[in-house]
Amino acid sequence: AQSVSQHNHHVILSEAASLELGCNYSYGGTVNLFWYVQYPGQHLQLLLKYFSGDPLVKGIKGFEAEFIKSKFSFNLRKPSVQWSDTAEYFCAVNARGSTLGRLYFGRGTQLTVWP
Amino acid sequence: EPEVTQTPSHQVTQMGQEVILRCVPISNHLYFYWYRQILGQKVEFLVSFYNNEISEKSEIFDDQFSVERPDGSNFTLKIRSTKLEDSAMYFCASSGTGISNQPQHFGDGTRLSIL
Repeated sequence: AQSVSQHNHHVILSEAASLELGCNYSYGGTVNLFWYVQYPGQHLQLLLKYFSGDPLVKGIKGFEAEFIKSKFSFNLRKPSVQWSDTAEYFCAVNARGSTLGRLYFGRGTQLTVWP
Repeated sequence: EPEVTQTPSHQVTQMGQEVILRCVPISNHLYFYWYRQILGQKVEFLVSFYNNEISEKSEIFDDQFSVERPDGSNFTLKIRSTKLEDSAMYFCASSGTGISNQPQHFGDGTRLSIL
């Protein structure tokens, strides 16, 4: 069965600090990988995704993530966070080529950025 | 940007009562999903739906649950006889293509509280 682990439940940073949120997955086949963000009171929004090609993908708002196949990881990074990045971040995977692409989510990481 | 809308935002129901959660997917989307998140746990897949049929359902989606697209715009999740453990945030999502590497677009969620 597929599963996703996010190791950090709550991360607290000051503005301008660098961010890295860990995500590991387990699955026997080829996957698509996603990071979603949920700002307070809002819906889940796609930050970025990877399904093929360059393993370093860039998303919105200065976020990027690197797929390391050998480590089954897809860590999210941002060189300098802002107060407005305070949100909950979810890593998700689905099976490449699956019908309708059921998503498997991690537990989420709450990021708090202090101004 | 078109959005998925969910109503109500918060539903409080007595145990054993029926509840219907409503979703209006993005208008030209044809693939629909329900997920839920119990407080402190992962976002979990419940069901996917296409062409007026369930495409896939998880082990959570037992006989107490049903989904329906009663008209051209709404997509509903019904829980026939609610249990305390059904208390969760329920998210509706839709996709334009159903292809696994394309993002699902989420609503703001309905918080269901069972008393």
